[in-house]
Amino acid sequence: DSGVTQTPKHLITATGQRVTLRCSPRSGDLSVYWYQQSLDQGLQFLIQYYNGEERAKGNILERFSAQQFPDLHSELNLSSLELGDSALYFCASSAGLLGTKQETQYFGPGTRLLVL
Amino acid sequence: AQTVTQSQPEMSVQEAETVTLSCTYDTSENNYYLFWYKQPPSRQMILVIRQEAYKQQNATENRFSVNFQKAAKSFSLKISDSQLGDTAMYFCAFITIKNTPLVFGKGTRLSVIA
Repeated sequence: DSGVTQTPKHLITATGQRVTLRCSPRSGDLSVYWYQQSLDQGLQFLIQYYNGEERAKGNILERFSAQQFPDLHSELNLSSLELGDSALYFCASSAGLLGTKQETQYFGPGTRLLVL
Repeated sequence: AQTVTQSQPEMSVQEAETVTLSCTYDTSENNYYLFWYKQPPSRQMILVIRQEAYKQQNATENRFSVNFQKAAKSFSLKISDSQLGDTAMYFCAFITIKNTPLVFGKGTRLSVIA
């Protein structure tokens, strides 16, 4: 158990819909990262938040957005869903201290999204 | 651009044998960290081992060890006494001290055969 929690574990929805994925980081971690893993693909970085503020942005679609709340949990919002958005979405957390081994990222169990 | 290459899409090994997974990376940075993550059929991402680039000594974690060659930008993972539970996809990744998102390779699917 990495200490990172994600809900829900599974999500089935239809095209055009909007969903919210939730992540709670490990106790004490300030950074939260979101990654997307499509079937048989590697992990693509979407976005990172550090202590409530956006720190880095990757290949995140405009239909997707995220935020980190004062209690440090994060939500990833996916809207106008398309079939190609079906994937495993991971949240990871780290202490967020650049240049230290505390930058190690620990992953949650993921949310499996299926868009029909 | 920073990239990670895992040249072996699939590998297999007999139980109790040793196997080495290859990884090369490209970065212009001097300070970074390297990781191997394991993704079993459950699809959980599990940290296997970590190496700081400034350390010359290769990291070890029980049956897992790395061969880190900084000049060659190579970071291979050796699994000794392979067990059936080692069957998984293995991802090599790195992170620099300036940019925090992990850069992942495409993975190597390892099958341990009884």
